Amino acid sequence: SQTIHQWPATLVQPVGSPLSLECTVEGTSNPNLYWYRQAAGRGLQLLFYSVGIGQISSEVPQNLSASRPQDRQFILSSKKLLLSDSGFYLCAWWKSSYEQYFGPGTRLTVT
Amino acid sequence: RKEVEQDPGPFNVPEGATVAFNCTYSNSASQSFFWYRQDCRKEPKLLMSVYSSGNEDGRFTAQLNRASQYISLLIRDSKLSDSATYLCVVKMNRDDKIIFGKGTRLHILP
Repeated sequence: SQTIHQWPATLVQPVGSPLSLECTVEGTSNPNLYWYRQAAGRGLQLLFYSVGIGQISSEVPQNLSASRPQDRQFILSSKKLLLSDSGFYLCAWWKSSYEQYFGPGTRLTVT
Repeated sequence: RKEVEQDPGPFNVPEGATVAFNCTYSNSASQSFFWYRQDCRKEPKLLMSVYSSGNEDGRFTAQLNRASQYISLLIRDSKLSDSATYLCVVKMNRDDKIIFGKGTRLHILP
């Protein structure tokens, strides 16, 4: 069966520090992967999506970046965090045209 | 007009009642529609896809009205465990763009 992992589960980082969040998928190959952010009291915002290794599409310009170094690995990064980067970060993949699954998420608090 | 709009609620409904909420979308090229459920501080989980002819899954019924550009979710015989936020999701098949509504909060009252 397919599984999607994210780590860390929670993170508290000071403003200006770097960030690296990892997402990995098991049990499938060449998945379409997505990064979302959900800020407190707000909807899910699509940040990046990737259809393959090295292929990244950005939806929202910001101080975040994403990379797809391996087929089943998707990484979200920042060189310098802002307070506004706090939120719930979710990785997701489309199993089929009608099924999208989310990882357990990383709750990031920037202090 | 926002791409996907939902009434944020909260809807406070007594256990056993029927509740319905809608979601409107602005892009007529939208092709696929879904309802997700999100519990507090958890990831969203697929509740059901919404088909053009409407579909039912137990106590849940989803409908699509392309002419008026909205989808709906009906929950019958509501349970305490139905308390959650329900997210409307629209997917563009052309470019796989996915748009989430901000969700409707539902509280089932004992």
